[in-house]
Amino acid sequence: DVKVTQSSRYLVKRTGEKVFLECVQDMDHENMFWYRQDPGLGLRLIYFSYDVKMKEKGDIPEGYSVSREKKERFSLILESASTNQTSMYLCAIESGPTVDTQYFGPGTRLTVL
Amino acid sequence: DAKTTQPPSMDCAEGRAANLPCNHSTISGNEYVYWYRQIHSQGPQYIIHGLKNNETNEMASLIITEDRKSSTLILPHATLRDTAVYYCIVRAAGGFKTIFGAGTRLFVKA
Repeated sequence: DVKVTQSSRYLVKRTGEKVFLECVQDMDHENMFWYRQDPGLGLRLIYFSYDVKMKEKGDIPEGYSVSREKKERFSLILESASTNQTSMYLCAIESGPTVDTQYFGPGTRLTVL
Repeated sequence: DAKTTQPPSMDCAEGRAANLPCNHSTISGNEYVYWYRQIHSQGPQYIIHGLKNNETNEMASLIITEDRKSSTLILPHATLRDTAVYYCIVRAAGGFKTIFGAGTRLFVKA
């Protein structure tokens, strides 16, 4: 079974803080993704990475950056957290070179006060 | 990637089959149909996918029409734990984007 782990289930931070969300996979998958999910807006892609040190912007990258120094770990960084970044953050990996099934972590519910 | 249309919500009695429809009339020849579900406060979970043929696994069956413009996800014996939002997605192999729409909220009632 594919396992995707996220560092925290719940996180509370203050405005202006730097926030790190970690995602770790236990298999040798290249593609990793960060989404945020908000009521009424569905899942929106923030960033993705298809290899170590590679990253691509998704649909809503503003206010976020990412880091992929090792294949198994993909970090989402909020350089200066703001209240509008309060959300559920979901990490996903993708398996298969031709059939691209996504497997998600449990999610991190971030509250920025 | 093609767009999908799903009903916003459906009810199903426990133990009965749940049939969730999806329209994808603009699907291209190289696009697969995927189904995921999301139980409250959890990440989405892959259920099944298909290209042309009907597919079945331990969770569900996927019926794709011959013209591929619509599909139905079937949960043969729904349980209360199947209450979730179900997403139908079409996506070409090798692309990087999986677009999740609003999905169908399935309520399984005792």
